[in-house]
Amino acid sequence: DSGVTQTPKHLITATGQRVTLRCSPRSGDLSVYWYQQSLDQGLQFLIQYYNGEERAKGNILERFSAQQFPDLHSELNLSSLELGDSALYFCASSAPSRDEQFFGPGTRLTVL
Amino acid sequence: GEDVEQSLFLSVREGDSSVINCTYTDSSSTYLYWYKQEPGAGLQLLTYIFSNMDMKQDQRLTVLLNKKDKHLSLRIADTQTGDSAIYFCAERPYNQGGKLIFGQGTELSVKP
Repeated sequence: DSGVTQTPKHLITATGQRVTLRCSPRSGDLSVYWYQQSLDQGLQFLIQYYNGEERAKGNILERFSAQQFPDLHSELNLSSLELGDSALYFCASSAPSRDEQFFGPGTRLTVL
Repeated sequence: GEDVEQSLFLSVREGDSSVINCTYTDSSSTYLYWYKQEPGAGLQLLTYIFSNMDMKQDQRLTVLLNKKDKHLSLRIADTQTGDSAIYFCAERPYNQGGKLIFGQGTELSVKP
């Protein structure tokens, strides 16, 4: 158990809908990262937040947005969902000035 | 550009050593990582190496880095059936926050 928690574990929804994925980092970690794992694209970095501020951005679609709250948990919002958004979404966290990223168990999103 | 390549499959016998290879393209990468993913699970950080090192050993794991050839390897000594999993290599580019770029993963199969 890495100490990073993600909810829900599974999510099934329809095209055009909007969902919110939630992540709680390890105690003391200020950075939160979101990654998408799909069969065709592999593991792709989406976005990083550090203590509430956006720190780095990957190939995150405009339909996707994220934020980190004052209690340091983070949410990834996916809207106007398409079949191709079906994937595993991972959150990771890291401590200040540390180089290890610890991953949560992931949320499996299925868009029908 | 940023790209990480790994071979897709490796099969070994229990008790043998496994060597998983990875090449990357970004010479500015600061850290290189190895993660393990078991079926239905998140990514477990195994080890990582700073780019100015050429070797790191941690119990049964040995990481070798050839910076000139941009080649990274992970050696698992005395491989056990519990080591069967997908192994991901990742690089962390310089000056892009904590963004990690992952390879496609190598599926390690350990036969008794």
